[in-house]
Amino acid sequence: DAGVIQSPRHEVTEMGQEVTLRCKPISGHDYLFWYRQTMMRGLELLIYFNNNVPIDDSGMPEDRFSAKMPNASFSTLKIQPSEPRDSAVYFCASINGRGADTQYFGPGTRLTVL
Amino acid sequence: GENVEQHPSTLSVQEGDSAVIKCTYSDSASNYFPWYKQELGKGPQLIIDIRSNVGEKKDQRIAVTLNKTAKHFSLHITETQPEDSAVYFCAARGVYNTDKLIFGTGTRLQVFP
Repeated sequence: DAGVIQSPRHEVTEMGQEVTLRCKPISGHDYLFWYRQTMMRGLELLIYFNNNVPIDDSGMPEDRFSAKMPNASFSTLKIQPSEPRDSAVYFCASINGRGADTQYFGPGTRLTVL
Repeated sequence: GENVEQHPSTLSVQEGDSAVIKCTYSDSASNYFPWYKQELGKGPQLIIDIRSNVGEKKDQRIAVTLNKTAKHFSLHITETQPEDSAVYFCAARGVYNTDKLIFGTGTRLQVFP
């Protein structure tokens, strides 16, 4: 299996621009998580889905952030408009079934907003 | 909600020495405590975990201990090697929401040859 796939790996954009991050979970996994990693806050859970349905978006920082999962093999995290404080590494992770122990993380997208 | 604190934020050791990273959690109902290792440019990867009905677990050079009364758990790495250099995250999961992991802020471990 290819593991969790994220694209792009690096994104540099200017303040005010729209940014879309993409994730393909491991085939057969029914949970998908979006995290943001910063030096100050570590790994923060933004939102997670079960069977393509958002379950908990309480970690989404502002209305500028939105996430979708149109099907079992694809999810997007969108920031519009982007701000310099959104600069971070964004990870996607997936698990196979409720309560499954191991979260499988993608390689992350390093976002820089100038 | 659950809160996980992790210390230290950075740790430097000489190759061959031991390293210990400590975490505390706030929700006494938490029952699963994994540790993830993040190498440079990669996503975190599970290295060891422990459940609340166990006090200690070992896997070769790494071990995790859990003190439920004090709500502490720790990662112990013995005979450290340069390839142990990475960022380590502890996490906790509760019984009421088995979907979510709450992560600590991470410890950057550097092992000097």
